[in-house]
Amino acid sequence: AQSVSQHNHHVILSEAASLELGCNYSYGGTVNLFWYVQYPGQHLQLLLKYFSGDPLVKGIKGFEAEFIKSKFSFNLRKPSVQWSDTAEYFCAVNPGGNNRLAFGKGNQVVVIP
Amino acid sequence: DVKVTQSSRYLVKRTGEKVFLECVQDMDHENMFWYRQDPGLGLRLIYFSYDVKMKEKGDIPEGYSVSREKKERFSLILESASTNQTSMYLCASSATDSNYGYTFGSGTRLTVV
Repeated sequence: AQSVSQHNHHVILSEAASLELGCNYSYGGTVNLFWYVQYPGQHLQLLLKYFSGDPLVKGIKGFEAEFIKSKFSFNLRKPSVQWSDTAEYFCAVNPGGNNRLAFGKGNQVVVIP
Repeated sequence: DVKVTQSSRYLVKRTGEKVFLECVQDMDHENMFWYRQDPGLGLRLIYFSYDVKMKEKGDIPEGYSVSREKKERFSLILESASTNQTSMYLCASSATDSNYGYTFGSGTRLTVV
């Protein structure tokens, strides 16, 4: 079945550490790719998105993601995390631009001060 | 500021009750979606709608129905609530142009006892 995979559901790291969250998808053809973030008690917010062009996408709060077509991946990175980055992060894929998003299971990230 | 508003933040219902979850968006979006969010399972699509009076099943429609009588309002109905429907329910909307991703509501945490 077509799917979106996120590994390492729980991630714990210290402030200033680097963060990388993996996202792999199994859809063929053209896809639109998204990362959403959900801070504790808040609604899901768009972090960044990729549709075409430069495969390295920069988003809000110092996050970036790289689309590697050959690996069907869209990994999220941040060089130096802060306590305020504690949140759940979801990768989402919109296959063929049909406007229906498929989500991964999420990564719960806890940053220790 | 654009908004997706879910009528209740917390809801407690008894097994067998008929439950209505309401969602209203003020962005004139064509598309509206209902997801449920469970720990470790991410977001799973229940139903979606591309237009007024139009609905399509998502990945887990069993036990649910929806209604979209007006463009701005999308209701999720639990015909006979069961304890396994205890969850966080998220409503989202998007424009036909999928480049903008989704806008999410704050969610309704439903507990069925």
